[in-house]
Amino acid sequence: DIQLTQSPSFLSASVGDRVTITCRASQVISSYLAWYQQKPGKAPNLLIYAASTLQSGVPSRFSGSGSGTEFTLTISSLQPEDFATYYCQQLNSYPFTFGPGTKVDIK
Amino acid sequence: QITLKESGPTLVKPTQTLTLTCTFSGFSLSTTGVGVGWIRQPPGKALEWLALIHWDDDKRYRPSLKGRLTITKDTSKNQVVLRVTNVGPVDTGTYYCAHRRIIAGAGYFEYWGQGTLVTVSS
Repeated sequence: DIQLTQSPSFLSASVGDRVTITCRASQVISSYLAWYQQKPGKAPNLLIYAASTLQSGVPSRFSGSGSGTEFTLTISSLQPEDFATYYCQQLNSYPFTFGPGTKVDIK
Repeated sequence: QITLKESGPTLVKPTQTLTLTCTFSGFSLSTTGVGVGWIRQPPGKALEWLALIHWDDDKRYRPSLKGRLTITKDTSKNQVVLRVTNVGPVDTGTYYCAHRRIIAGAGYFEYWGQGTLVTVSS
């Protein structure tokens, strides 16, 4: 199985901050990576697919980059509604795996 | 508009079989490239992909659970069913179904159901 690690696992930030989350894969996964946002008690919401393509309806302050084994999700200016947990997922090969998550909290 | 909704028991006893149904609308599981997957999340923990069924009835399972999982589809009813046999406390969690579409060479889970919480306890 392809393992995904995320760093940091937790970050505390203020509204307006630039935030970067890293996802690393144990094997090359090309660009077959997605990012999700999950709020408490809610289903995950697809933000980014194919490592860097913004899902329709997602604000442009979210962006993704990377390929191979290292990927980043950036929020250019954190908004109050962005406080949530973020997961990466690889879809290069079965079984699809998720990262352990990064919780973004209010500073 | 694509929607999915999970249904099933909220409480299951250890060793029993858990049967969950995903009822969807806004797409057909007979359309090329479309799939429906199941993902679960133990309380306070990360997401875990379980199984996936495609438009052509191709089925994929999480290897560590493969012997306990069965996924089937009923295209006429717009439903996908997941069965988990011999459940234990570790199977407790929120179970989600999600619509998968091929985009940019891979299939991504675009739309998710609200999830259903299942507790395994005697």
